[in-house]
Amino acid sequence: EAGVAQSPRYKIIEKRQSVAFWCNPISGHATLYWYQQILGQGPKLLIQFQNNGVVDDSQLPKDRFSAERLKGVDSTLKIQPAKLEDSAVYLCASSRVSGANVLTFGAGSRLTVL
Amino acid sequence: TQLLEQSPQFLSIQEGENLTVYCNSSSVFSSLQWYRQEPGEGPVLLVTVVTGGEVKKLKRLTFQFGDARKDSSLHITAAQPGDTGLYLCAGAPRMNRDDKIIFGKGTRLHILP
Repeated sequence: EAGVAQSPRYKIIEKRQSVAFWCNPISGHATLYWYQQILGQGPKLLIQFQNNGVVDDSQLPKDRFSAERLKGVDSTLKIQPAKLEDSAVYLCASSRVSGANVLTFGAGSRLTVL
Repeated sequence: TQLLEQSPQFLSIQEGENLTVYCNSSSVFSSLQWYRQEPGEGPVLLVTVVTGGEVKKLKRLTFQFGDARKDSSLHITAAQPGDTGLYLCAGAPRMNRDDKIIFGKGTRLHILP
């Protein structure tokens, strides 16, 4: 089966600019996750979707980050305006069901904010 | 609060040596997963341990889940350069009603040829 697709792979922007990342999960996977991985750290969950509904967004900085999964398939994560500390890899993952604890990750989108 | 503590943070050893890395928590987990992440890629699942005391083997890798289901270890026998990477443990603490999966900070392993 095809894996989790993410784009773009790399993005460099200046602070206060905006950026959007796209994710297409594995077909049939109901749950989609966005994680932020800062260099040298483990992934931190930003938001979890079950189909097109939000299960958890408690660690999403809602003043600048937004995410949607309108049709319950692909998803976008937006940052506006970006800050220097947003420099990280943004990982998208999917699983068949919530709580399956087996995630399939995409290759990630590396963001550098100057 | 970091619920999953991994140690050591960094480990650099010679090819052929054995090593053990640890994943510890004060919380109980229904299961724990180990992932390996290589540069420029997302984490890839290695194994899931579910039962307290469970031992799983994947070629030269041996995974163990603690009896109390609060900790896990990964032992690599005769390490090879291909084992180089970031090893992450992950799980959903039983106290999390929303099944939110958390990750440790990882152990960065470098095997010298």
